[in-house]
Amino acid sequence: AQSVAQPEDQVNVAEGNPLTVKCTYSVSGNPYLFWYVQYPNRGLQFLLKYITGDNLVKGSYGFEAEFNKSQTSFHLKKPSALVSDSALYFCAVRDIPAGGSYIPTFGRGTSLIVHP
Amino acid sequence: DAGVTQSPTHLIKTRGQQVTLRCSPKSGHDTVSWYQQALGQGPQFIFQYYEEEERQRGNFPDRFSGHQFPNYSSELNVNALLLGDSALYLCASSLYQSPLHFGNGTRLTVT
Repeated sequence: AQSVAQPEDQVNVAEGNPLTVKCTYSVSGNPYLFWYVQYPNRGLQFLLKYITGDNLVKGSYGFEAEFNKSQTSFHLKKPSALVSDSALYFCAVRDIPAGGSYIPTFGRGTSLIVHP
Repeated sequence: DAGVTQSPTHLIKTRGQQVTLRCSPKSGHDTVSWYQQALGQGPQFIFQYYEEEERQRGNFPDRFSGHQFPNYSSELNVNALLLGDSALYLCASSLYQSPLHFGNGTRLTVT
């Protein structure tokens, strides 16, 4: 079974400061990890993914995520937050066993609020 | 290049009624997945269609059914609506193992 946890319902950060949104996962095989962002009354928008390779993955809008296999984490980061980054962020994981499911499981989401 | 489009954007139904939601996938995508997102929750997987067949199903009752057409578009049908079915219904399309591309959803309110 695959699962993902986002331990923080809300993250508050001042504009210009670095931000981190946390995610931990559980899979039986190797993980295929994603971050999505959702603005009010909109669908989810893909930010970045990790399959294999470099543990630091760069994505859209200056976001990056760090994969840590020993801690089973995939935290989302940005060096300098913008007010326009305020949104709901979802981490998702998909197990990659041979012939496995292509269905990702999503976390409950973390609301990021960037204060001017 | 049009992304995933869903219709209608909003819908109000009464308990016991039936509803049909529609989705057109992103150009070039052949797989459609449906998710239910309740207020304050993450998306919950309903089912996925590929080659006009339901390939996988989440933990949803048989009241939830779907269809995929030869042009890859899809419908989600919900029968005997309950108050608890009120949610944002998201359609996502993909090609093989590519990341999901989501539409803006249909907001269903059951009264």
